[in-house]
Amino acid sequence: GAGVSQSPSNKVTEKGKDVELRCDPISGHTALYWYRQSLGQGLEFLIYFQGNSAPDKSGLPSDRFSAERTGGSVSTLTIQRTQQEDSAVYLCASSLERFLTGDQETQYFGPGTRLLVL
Amino acid sequence: AQTVTQSQPEMSVQEAETVTLSCTYDTSESDYYLFWYKQPPSRQMILVIRQEAYKQQNATENRFSVNFQKAAKSFSLKISDSQLGDAAMYFCAYKWGGGADGLTFGKGTHLIIQP
Repeated sequence: GAGVSQSPSNKVTEKGKDVELRCDPISGHTALYWYRQSLGQGLEFLIYFQGNSAPDKSGLPSDRFSAERTGGSVSTLTIQRTQQEDSAVYLCASSLERFLTGDQETQYFGPGTRLLVL
Repeated sequence: AQTVTQSQPEMSVQEAETVTLSCTYDTSESDYYLFWYKQPPSRQMILVIRQEAYKQQNATENRFSVNFQKAAKSFSLKISDSQLGDAAMYFCAYKWGGGADGLTFGKGTHLIIQP
């Protein structure tokens, strides 16, 4: 089956504008994760969804960041009033289900969205 | 908090040779998973190998194997018969087995394959 897909592949925006990044997980995967990859900070975990619920939003860098997931499938990461420090690659991953052993804990990644804030 | 350390920012190996990438981690948990991911210039993170902490046997996937030393909190990746397609960034990652956490990644090792 298809892997994790993300759109857009690249996004250039002006400081102060809002952006939406989309993630479509592997069919049947109930867990979905967002990460940010930047030169200065490496790979950071942002938020996790089990179904449509995000139990812990403390990993989001600021209140300008929000995420939602509907229908237990597609997720959107929204950054409001973008700043230059938001420039990074945003990666999405999905896995079968949480709190199970073995392969269910393995996360499969999408190709990422490269965001550049001018 | 868990930490993952990759002490080798860059490694170089001749094609067909063997190379070992090191990774150490720090955790007080007993239930966890360790992963090696490969990220080529295309940005796609690709799972290389996975190890469950409760398993004593080292994981192996074709030319890739790990040396998991639980007491020393060490998780190195050995790549045998290196191929040009192995050139990439390699990230070691930790995941707690019992919480709503994502992966904790190391800083990565850039692997260069010399033809």
